[in-house]
Amino acid sequence: NAGVTQTPKFRVLKTGQSMTLLCAQDMNHEYMYWYRQDPGMGLRLIHYSVGEGTTAKGEVPDGYNVSRLKKQNFLLGLESAAPSQTSVYFCASRSTRQGYGYTFGSGTRLTVV
Amino acid sequence: QQQVKQSPQSLIVQKGGISIINCAYENTAFDYFPWYQQFPGKGPALLIAIRPDVSEKKEGRFTISFNKSAKQFSLHIMDSQPGDSATYFCAAHSGSARQLTFGSGTQLTVLP
Repeated sequence: NAGVTQTPKFRVLKTGQSMTLLCAQDMNHEYMYWYRQDPGMGLRLIHYSVGEGTTAKGEVPDGYNVSRLKKQNFLLGLESAAPSQTSVYFCASRSTRQGYGYTFGSGTRLTVV
Repeated sequence: QQQVKQSPQSLIVQKGGISIINCAYENTAFDYFPWYQQFPGKGPALLIAIRPDVSEKKEGRFTISFNKSAKQFSLHIMDSQPGDSATYFCAAHSGSARQLTFGSGTQLTVLP
């Protein structure tokens, strides 16, 4: 039982490059989330999904896109990376049948130079 | 717009002491208040949580105190241990928005 798996774990991008972060969960959870974590700012919600084929904007969605074509996967895309997107990105999931407990992945550390 | 305010930003406690972290919220629609613990290089992990109809919840050395009228809640770690050294986040869940809002985090260091 892997829980929530994020790939890659580390990445360095040049300004203007694009990339996709992958989140996979094997718990059959309905809801999935992408957060970014910056020093002194806690975790801020980027986008989330309440089910396959549905996505919604969170607190800081600008510069990111997401897709959830399969229930177990939630992809976060950066079309044109900027230094302000240097952060640690966390994916989380939760079940609608087990309260509000979120399960987090181990994070992706992204540096944009 | 920070809907959940957390303090202190950092906390140093001696082994065996009590660690106290405080949070305040504004949105009265929040319906669930968890605390997460995060070790370096790891994702946050649920530590303990409380609903607003309860004033206190205890699990082992960890206790949440909740004051609905003041819109405040706090985490108390009794008999703090060096292994408790981590970053702690309070959070609040909005059922209507279906999402968690996190506080800014507290870095706890327990000295041996």
